[in-house]
Amino acid sequence: ETGVTQSPTHLIKTRGQQVTLRCSSQSGHNTVSWYQQALGQGPQFIFQYYREEENGRGNFPPRFSGLQFPNYSSELNVNALELDDSALYLCASRQDRATDTQYFGPGTRLTVL
Amino acid sequence: RKEVEQDPGPFNVPEGATVAFNCTYSNSASQSFFWYRQDCRKEPKLLMSVYSSGNEDGRFTAQLNRASQYISLLIRDSKLSDSATYLCVVDNAGNMLTFGGGTRLMVKP
Repeated sequence: ETGVTQSPTHLIKTRGQQVTLRCSSQSGHNTVSWYQQALGQGPQFIFQYYREEENGRGNFPPRFSGLQFPNYSSELNVNALELDDSALYLCASRQDRATDTQYFGPGTRLTVL
Repeated sequence: RKEVEQDPGPFNVPEGATVAFNCTYSNSASQSFFWYRQDCRKEPKLLMSVYSSGNEDGRFTAQLNRASQYISLLIRDSKLSDSATYLCVVDNAGNMLTFGGGTRLMVKP
């Protein structure tokens, strides 16, 4: 619906493993943000990428890292997974970092055992 | 103290009722304000932006009080399809959205 796609939809990992989540932004959007939503809570901002550079970061440790590619798609990498990393990971794109409206993808549900 | 606070609910209301949600935010420099709706196990979707003058979209009315750092959402003539979690959202610097924990609404027949 929003034109933002994420893969995979579900993922199960074990503690200590590493994971890569992917996001394709809406066509023409150069800014991508990532959010973590734990069960029963609101989404929390992880970081934002604008034109392939990190452009803002929330209160997450360095084992959360990201990339944005020339086509503005993006990856979220999490190393040394912990049980508390189990959550819905949402990616949102916007036309430009100055634009208000963000469009969310359907999310990737990560379970860490 | 959380940056954006909401009553988690749930608010259980009959069809046709009017229901109001409130939200407070702590950063007086916050610039933009929104209400998002999130259905169970789905992504958040923008319901409406919130302006200082107040704004209305059909059955939904949003108000912002900058002096009190308070945002509200009023839903009139509730429908079963309004059942969802409503997220109060603040944008501080154009870089990140700060979400409240959400208020759950259940509209019953």
